[in-house]
Amino acid sequence: QSALTQPPSASGSPGQSVTISCTGTSSDVGGYNYVSWYQLHPGKAPKLMIYEVRKRPSGVPDRFFGSRSGNTASLTVSGLQAEDEADYYCSSYAGNNNYVFGTGTKVTVL
Amino acid sequence: QLQLQESGSGLVKPSQTLSLTCAVSGGSISSSGYSWNWIRQPPGKGLEWIGFIYESGSAYYNPSLKSRVTISVDRSNNHFSLKLSSVTAADTAVYYCARERDFYFDYWGQGTLVTVSS
Repeated sequence: QSALTQPPSASGSPGQSVTISCTGTSSDVGGYNYVSWYQLHPGKAPKLMIYEVRKRPSGVPDRFFGSRSGNTASLTVSGLQAEDEADYYCSSYAGNNNYVFGTGTKVTVL
Repeated sequence: QLQLQESGSGLVKPSQTLSLTCAVSGGSISSSGYSWNWIRQPPGKGLEWIGFIYESGSAYYNPSLKSRVTISVDRSNNHFSLKLSSVTAADTAVYYCARERDFYFDYWGQGTLVTVSS
């Protein structure tokens, strides 16, 4: 299975919004409602931000919004804050007990 | 609060076997409905799913690594383990363990760096 495609970087000023895309195929992103997003800060455990395309775990601010159109999922972070600066990865179930991750996007708060 | 902690050799010689353990605390590895996963991130690269195991012992692996990977579970000590054989420099990475629930990874360890070098 091939990695899901994400833009290498995205940026925005505090208070602005940024959207990260995650493009797969009908065998992963487009085929299952099991897209999730993770935030990675150096030296810390990755954090689940979105699951099942658009659901937010308890404690994740509603500034984080997940969506999907066809084989492309997206994560939108609105009202950017300094602590949102991190690497973000999407993941999808790919069938047959397999998972695939995205290539990762570095979000910079200007 | 569930916690996962990776441990193991931080330096492995080429062609040898990488061995890591993930200790689970704050919950039982025998709880049903979850799988226990290994995921890695080579320096400067993205995350790669390695495989998972259920508490029953059934394991599933990334096809690209399947021939070299073994994941096992130790219910009595509440931990699970990863073995990756015939390692090369390309296996140098931060290795994470994580719990999967309903097709998403809800708890992760902080990761441990494994370097393959002679």
